[in-house]
Amino acid sequence: AQTVTQSQPEMSVQEAETVTLSCTYDTSESDYYLFWYKQPPSRQMILVIRQEAYKQQNATENRFSVNFQKAAKSFSLKISDSQLGDAAMYFCAYVRGSNYKLTFGKGTLLTVNP
Amino acid sequence: NAGVTQTPKFRVLKTGQSMTLLCAQDMNHEYMYWYRQDPGMGLRLIHYSVGEGTTAKGEVPDGYNVSRLKKQNFLLGLESAAPSQTSVYFCASSYGQVNGYTFGSGTRLTVV
Repeated sequence: AQTVTQSQPEMSVQEAETVTLSCTYDTSESDYYLFWYKQPPSRQMILVIRQEAYKQQNATENRFSVNFQKAAKSFSLKISDSQLGDAAMYFCAYVRGSNYKLTFGKGTLLTVNP
Repeated sequence: NAGVTQTPKFRVLKTGQSMTLLCAQDMNHEYMYWYRQDPGMGLRLIHYSVGEGTTAKGEVPDGYNVSRLKKQNFLLGLESAAPSQTSVYFCASSYGQVNGYTFGSGTRLTVV
């Protein structure tokens, strides 16, 4: 069974600083996709960034970027120039290419200090 | 607005009562899912559907039933609610994996 591990239940960062959230996953598949979702207090699940396993280039979306290390099965999220609105629960998620069942980690609660 | 709509948003049930959560999507997605979110547990898949008329069990299916009679709707039923089913329930839909999954805003269910 595929598992997704987020080893940091909570993280904090100062406004305008950079923070990295960790995620590791366990799979024997070669075709899969990885995602980071943000869940603010509104409870809405918001897609932050996605990465296809076959792509070596790390995905970026404005202030958000990932460090995808396929051999190490690691998928960390870097948030640059942190803003108060970045405060949320962040979930790492995995889905293999042969099905559509998304598996989540337990989440990391990010606090942004002014 | 296009997306995934869940009803109701909040509900309190007594132990043993039944209820149905409705999920509707207007994006013509083939795949639909029901997750539950509990503190410290992330989101866990209850049931899912790969198309109209199909359903399958996820990670935590016990105590729940689902139906997908129409492509745009995915219903989650609790036949006899238990306190262990107190949770936030999310519906999601997808066309494929690449574009990710669209989530509803969640239903907070409390069973007393």
